Amino acid sequence: AQKITQTQPGMFVQEKEAVTLDCTYDTSDPSYGLFWYKQPSSGEMIFLIYQGSYDQQNATEGRYSLNFQKARKSANLVISASQLGDSAMYFCAMRETAGGTSYGKLTFGQGTILTVHP
Amino acid sequence: KAGVTQTPRYLIKTRGQQVTLSCSPISGHRSVSWYQQTPGQGLQFLFEYFSETQRNKGNFPGRFSGRQFSNSRSEMNVSTLELGDSALYLCASSHGQPGEKLFFGSGTQLSVL
Repeated sequence: AQKITQTQPGMFVQEKEAVTLDCTYDTSDPSYGLFWYKQPSSGEMIFLIYQGSYDQQNATEGRYSLNFQKARKSANLVISASQLGDSAMYFCAMRETAGGTSYGKLTFGQGTILTVHP
Repeated sequence: KAGVTQTPRYLIKTRGQQVTLSCSPISGHRSVSWYQQTPGQGLQFLFEYFSETQRNKGNFPGRFSGRQFSNSRSEMNVSTLELGDSALYLCASSHGQPGEKLFFGSGTQLSVL
């Protein structure tokens, strides 16, 4: 079973509007972390936002916020005031840590291509 | 502070050859992880090194190996290259602690002909 599911292969949004990218996850680990990365056509993976499973508040980083609904196992990324430069592939990823000492392993979703129209 | 640096940016090899990729982490980071990205399989974890020790490994054949040096720089080696090894190889670094963010480099695009 997929651990990270991104159901939107592609999304379109008008410049200056907000957009939500969906991500659901599956884990039995009580301690985990959720990440969102942006990958432009250049290939670099750019860190956007992080949410720990025990964090009480939803994470925010500038125009990015994470809508974390633990009971529903969803971690949607909200981008406010979209810009043309936001056009890229977006990945949701999860790190599970129960009983382990390795914190560099992430499981990624298949990604969502976001296109911002002027 | 400099980011994660990967070299070379592009590589072209032929089947049967071997290749070595390099990753310099962010200063102070002791953990380096490697990932393979292909259109078909997406992003897959290869291995993680922390303080010169491999502490996790993904489901890849033994042709894929790595190491980490005392200055935390890491190398990844692929021997006996196959066409299916063509991919973007990304490395990520962190302090290696729970709750840490992972920061990625720009990747090495490997083409096997």
